[in-house]
Amino acid sequence: DTEVTQTPKHLVMGMTNKKSLKCEQHMGHRAMYWYKQKAKKPPELMFVYSYEKLSINESVPSRFSPECPNSSLLNLHLHALQPEDSALYLCASSHPSGTPFFGPGTRLTVL
Amino acid sequence: AQKVTQAQTEISVVEKEDVTLDCVYETRDTTYYLFWYKQPPSGELVFLIRRNSFDEQNEISGRYSWNFQKSTSSFNFTITASQVVDSAVYFCALSEVVMNRDDKIIFGKGTRLHILP
Repeated sequence: DTEVTQTPKHLVMGMTNKKSLKCEQHMGHRAMYWYKQKAKKPPELMFVYSYEKLSINESVPSRFSPECPNSSLLNLHLHALQPEDSALYLCASSHPSGTPFFGPGTRLTVL
Repeated sequence: AQKVTQAQTEISVVEKEDVTLDCVYETRDTTYYLFWYKQPPSGELVFLIRRNSFDEQNEISGRYSWNFQKSTSSFNFTITASQVVDSAVYFCALSEVVMNRDDKIIFGKGTRLHILP
């Protein structure tokens, strides 16, 4: 299994909703990442988990809450988002210092 | 600090033409990795190549080739005999390798490539 899967593919939520994005990989990678990509912009790093511990938080607002329940799973919990948070959310995984492989992303729209 | 510059925002070429996408990077580290990713309209980032800073050999993979020159801090990507399916946004990226610290990959702004039939 050489892929990163993300669910859901699309998500529409209101500003008062709570939702979660899910990412899964079975490549034995011990580093997992969340990136945010706005239209016509490059991906921007949000969080890095290394060996299931949060190692990098790029000053992301607390309305985004990552969770790594085990070495294969990465979640991003969303609460009280703003319309400007609408974007493509990309998950990636890699071996330490390895090449990140990306999932297909979740297109999030906040109304 | 790391920086990746892709000066070409958008390029259009006619099918079968060759096209080169430029990438210039800045880093203070001696050990780093350079990447190219392709992002088709579907949105998924597709890995194309990774190069470490000690390997300046050029690489060819089918119609794709990469030219890494440390002297000019450039890692350019050439598509030979372009095809419509090559239409996508291409990102050059850089990560520094630092002991006991997780890697951060920084992306350039991307080059949007249109291959016209």
